Amino acid sequence: GAVVSQHPSRVICKSGTSVKIECRSLDFQATTMFWYRQFPKQSLMLMATSNEGSKATYEQGVEKDKFLINHASLTLSTLTVTSAHPEDSSFYICSARAPSGAGWQYFGPGTRLTVL
Amino acid sequence: KQEVTQIPAALSVPEGENLVLNCSFTDSAIYNLQWFRQDPGKGLTSLLLIQSSQREQTSGRLNASLDKSSGRSTLYIAASQPGDSATYLCAPNSGGSNYKLTFGKGTLLTVNP
Repeated sequence: GAVVSQHPSRVICKSGTSVKIECRSLDFQATTMFWYRQFPKQSLMLMATSNEGSKATYEQGVEKDKFLINHASLTLSTLTVTSAHPEDSSFYICSARAPSGAGWQYFGPGTRLTVL
Repeated sequence: KQEVTQIPAALSVPEGENLVLNCSFTDSAIYNLQWFRQDPGKGLTSLLLIQSSQREQTSGRLNASLDKSSGRSTLYIAASQPGDSATYLCAPNSGGSNYKLTFGKGTLLTVNP
């Protein structure tokens, strides 16, 4: 299957700082990438859909000014958590939609964010 | 709004058993459905994808079926192994312009040696 990477895998930061997470599709071009958040023992919740070259589409209840998404190239999307607070601590996972018509989505390994 | 339920929430079996994981979804207007596994603290590994026009897909010891009209999918694992221990997630895809996946809480599978 296709490979999607995320960086960093873990980040610990102080409350009030901003954190950037990168999502890369390594062996295919992804016009659409997705950002999810997963709290312990909960299902993945879609935060936003990121389309290359256009503004991201955010799910209801997700603050677009807090979770900045940039999809500047066909292989890279970034999520920036601005002014992070302890309640933003979570597991953030990205996925990329494969270009084939079958509709596969391939997921990154996730980023564990801890805000102190 | 699509809602996904997976039963059972947890399952513990001895090695070698065949088992079935169940997934139900409320909106049958789907494009496809993917099954994933997630190891603790890790991302998701794609296992199988069934198109809405298909009834089943097979990959090795895994077989997934889809009954779109009734909003159900099952994942059958044959001859289970300890390495199969993980959380299994099903996710119907809404299709359309954005191909959104909706996830259930998953089934936590433990295969005991």
